[in-house]
Amino acid sequence: EPEVTQTPSHQVTQMGQEVILRCVPISNHLYFYWYRQILGQKVEFLVSFYNNEISEKSEIFDDQFSVERPDGSNFTLKIRSTKLEDSAMYFCASSDRGSGANVLTFGAGSRLTVL
Amino acid sequence: AQKVTQAQTEISVVEKEDVTLDCVYETRDTTYYLFWYKQPPSGELVFLIRRNSFDEQNEISGRYSWNFQKSTSSFNFTITASQVVDSAVYFCALSGRFGNEKLTFGTGTRLTIIP
Repeated sequence: EPEVTQTPSHQVTQMGQEVILRCVPISNHLYFYWYRQILGQKVEFLVSFYNNEISEKSEIFDDQFSVERPDGSNFTLKIRSTKLEDSAMYFCASSDRGSGANVLTFGAGSRLTVL
Repeated sequence: AQKVTQAQTEISVVEKEDVTLDCVYETRDTTYYLFWYKQPPSGELVFLIRRNSFDEQNEISGRYSWNFQKSTSSFNFTITASQVVDSAVYFCALSGRFGNEKLTFGTGTRLTIIP
């Protein structure tokens, strides 16, 4: 079964450092997303990406965040200068519009710990 | 604005008992989609079901069943004859009428099945 792959599974970084989280969405999917989940809390939308541009972003997704699809397979989330409150599990997801509304397939997540 | 409320933070039941997880939603859209996702201890988000707002038929899939009632804006999830493998956090989520809109998640219900 096709799956969304995320790397790294866990990253520990110092406050102020740049972090890049990587995702390989399902190959025929057109919509890509990042969500995050602070430990023990709900899953929150960060950003959606379609046709090589951001289609929607949340208030959380400020200037410190950026997304990129550098080639035909990878989808990355960059945090320029990490803060303690960025510590969370980050989920990448993708969907195929042709299959109907938003059946997102999520990756296993990348846990980010900012010290 | 969209909102999903899962009032039950944690539920524990003894194996083989039935359990119902509640979900109440708010939206101004006349067309919308409701979802349930499971997050097992390993952390990934697993899609369980999608239901559109025009389809109020209850659905059964094995031991799982869903009760959608527009009149009360609820989309409840019942597990029959629970098993230890059902132990997880369960999230209810809502999206709007277009195919690529973000998911709004509830805060989740942690279900523990006691052997």
